[in-house]
Amino acid sequence: RKEVEQDPGPFNVPEGATVAFNCTYSNSASQSFFWYRQDCRKEPKLLMSVYSSGNEDGRFTAQLNRASQYISLLIRDSKLSDSATYLCVVNLGSTGRRALTFGSGTRLQVQP
Amino acid sequence: DAGVIQSPRHEVTEMGQEVTLRCKPISGHDYLFWYRQTMMRGLELLIYFNNNVPIDDSGMPEDRFSAKMPNASFSTLKIQPSEPRDSAVYFCASSPTSGRALSTDTQYFGPGTRLTVL
Repeated sequence: RKEVEQDPGPFNVPEGATVAFNCTYSNSASQSFFWYRQDCRKEPKLLMSVYSSGNEDGRFTAQLNRASQYISLLIRDSKLSDSATYLCVVNLGSTGRRALTFGSGTRLQVQP
Repeated sequence: DAGVIQSPRHEVTEMGQEVTLRCKPISGHDYLFWYRQTMMRGLELLIYFNNNVPIDDSGMPEDRFSAKMPNASFSTLKIQPSEPRDSAVYFCASSPTSGRALSTDTQYFGPGTRLTVL
């Protein structure tokens, strides 16, 4: 089993649609969670951190479920510019260890 | 502010040659990370440094790979000798110790070096 697992997609959705991605992680002691976005042939960029209480940034909402060890990302009113690969990222280690583990990514294609 | 700087952006070399990749982290960041990304294996952590000291090199594939950080503003990843299976995009990322980031784990990536070994 992968330490951080995502559905690779692709998710093909029309503009304006709502789309949700899930991600599961293996270590119940994990402390930090993120969603990164990666455009084709570019570097990963932080989209948002994921907090225990859930958090929202404009059209993007992230949720954490520690009991089930999964993270979700919801994108509302999808735009063409949202087309990218979304990486689920977890610090699987103990406090103080800074290494992040990246999922393989979920590809989103928003169509006109 | 300048982001993480990597050079070269593209490198094409022949099997057996030495390859050196370079990284300049964001000023003031105490952590530096080297990653490799391939279609088959995704993004893999190779090694990371804290205050120029290697903390975890368990991801370094084999002895052909070495990384150094002689000062707070410069790091190298060297492959000697290179092999075709080393072809990948190599990313460097940096992270602050505390305070300014949304989370102290947040990492900021450079544009990457696309390495092709023929």
